Amino acid sequence: DAKTTQPPSMDCAEGRAANLPCNHSTISGNEYVYWYRQIHSQGPQYIIHGLKNNETNEMASLIITEDRKSSTLILPHATLRDTAVYYCIVSLGNQFYFGTGTSLTVIP
Amino acid sequence: DAGVIQSPRHEVTEMGQEVTLRCKPISGHNSLFWYRQTMMRGLELLIYFNNNVPIDDSGMPEDRFSAKMPNASFSTLKIQPSEPRDSAVYFCASTFGQPNSPLHFGNGTRLTVT
Repeated sequence: DAKTTQPPSMDCAEGRAANLPCNHSTISGNEYVYWYRQIHSQGPQYIIHGLKNNETNEMASLIITEDRKSSTLILPHATLRDTAVYYCIVSLGNQFYFGTGTSLTVIP
Repeated sequence: DAGVIQSPRHEVTEMGQEVTLRCKPISGHNSLFWYRQTMMRGLELLIYFNNNVPIDDSGMPEDRFSAKMPNASFSTLKIQPSEPRDSAVYFCASTFGQPNSPLHFGNGTRLTVT
C-alpha cells in the first residue's frame, strides 16, 4: 500500500524551479524516501532518495522535514523534458509501492 | 551498462493463448521485480525474487500467472491462458538488494489480449 500523498497535478514554467511536495506522515524510523519519475511509455526512472538529511544530485534536490513527515523534490531549472509523472515512495526494504504520483507539466 | 532488458516490447495475442514475457536484469543485481501498470490500477507489484528465489508473490493476480527465475540473468512471467483484462504494460526491475538500493526499470512489455 502506498504510504504517501501527492497532489495529482502541477504546472511549472520552463526554466523555473519545480517543487513537488509529498506527505508521508506514517513513515517509520528506518524507511527511506525515494523519488521516481515516469515519462510517457517508458519505465520509471530513479531520481533521488534520502533518509533524514537533504540530498542533492545532478538531477534534483530532496528536502526532508525534520520530523520526516513530508518532503519536497526540487527540480532547479525545469525543462520540457521534465514533463512526467513523479512518484514519491517510502520503503524500508526493496518492496516499492507506487501511488498515483504527481503529473508535472512544464510549460514553455 | 545496458540496463534492464525486456522482450518483447509489444505483444498482441488472442484470448486463451499463452504469453511469456522475458527480462534480463542488470548484471550483478540480485533482486528482481515484476510490475504491471494499467490506467485503472496504476503500478502494481506482482512478485519479486531475491537471489533467484521468489520472496513475495502476493501480488500475482491468480493462478494463470506464474514467474520463474532460473538463473541470475533471466526471468520470465507467463500468463496461461491469457484474458483481455490482462492487457497492460508489464515492467521488470532489478536492484542490488540492499535496503537503500534504488530500483532500475526496463522499458516494459505492452501486452494486448484481444
